[in-house]
Amino acid sequence: EPEVTQTPSHQVTQMGQEVILRCVPISNHLYFYWYRQILGQKVEFLVSFYNNEISEKSEIFDDQFSVERPDGSNFTLKIRSTKLEDSAMYFCASSEDRASYNEQFFGPGTRLTVL
Amino acid sequence: SQQGEEDPQALSIQEGENATMNCSYKTSINNLQWYRQNSGRGLVHLILIRSNEREKHSGRLRVTLDTSKKSSSLLITASRAADTASYFCVPIQGAQKLVFGQGTRLTINP
Repeated sequence: EPEVTQTPSHQVTQMGQEVILRCVPISNHLYFYWYRQILGQKVEFLVSFYNNEISEKSEIFDDQFSVERPDGSNFTLKIRSTKLEDSAMYFCASSEDRASYNEQFFGPGTRLTVL
Repeated sequence: SQQGEEDPQALSIQEGENATMNCSYKTSINNLQWYRQNSGRGLVHLILIRSNEREKHSGRLRVTLDTSKKSSSLLITASRAADTASYFCVPIQGAQKLVFGQGTRLTINP
């Protein structure tokens, strides 16, 4: 069964460093998302991406964040200068269509630890 | 986008029993989705029920939707230890994103 994959599973970085989290969505999906979950808190939406551009982003997704689909398979989240409060699980998701019509498929997550 | 409010916040039952979780929401929807999350891991989509449906089954899962009361329920029959997880309802109106609440933490005791 097709699945969303994410690498790395765990990333440790120093405050102020740049990190890139990688995701490979399901191949025929058109909508891509990033969510994050700070330990013990709710899963929060960061950004959605469709047709090679951001279609929606949350207040969390400030200028330190960017997303890219550099080729036909990868979908990346870059954090330019990490802060301690960026420590969280980051989940990538993809769907065939809008949430109004289809479920989203989530990857296993990348645990980001900022020291 | 709106989030669902799951009730109860926590539920602990014996293996083999049925588990019922409830969800309420505030505005009209296109569909409502249920997701499961095992301790800190990725979310798994369980079932999607559309606004014109009243009940839907998938294996041991049964979901109901009452749009007049703006509520839904998820029933897991013959529970297993592997069902231990957090369960989230996500009402969808027209947005692309999912908005998650606190969920119901279900514990299945052996």
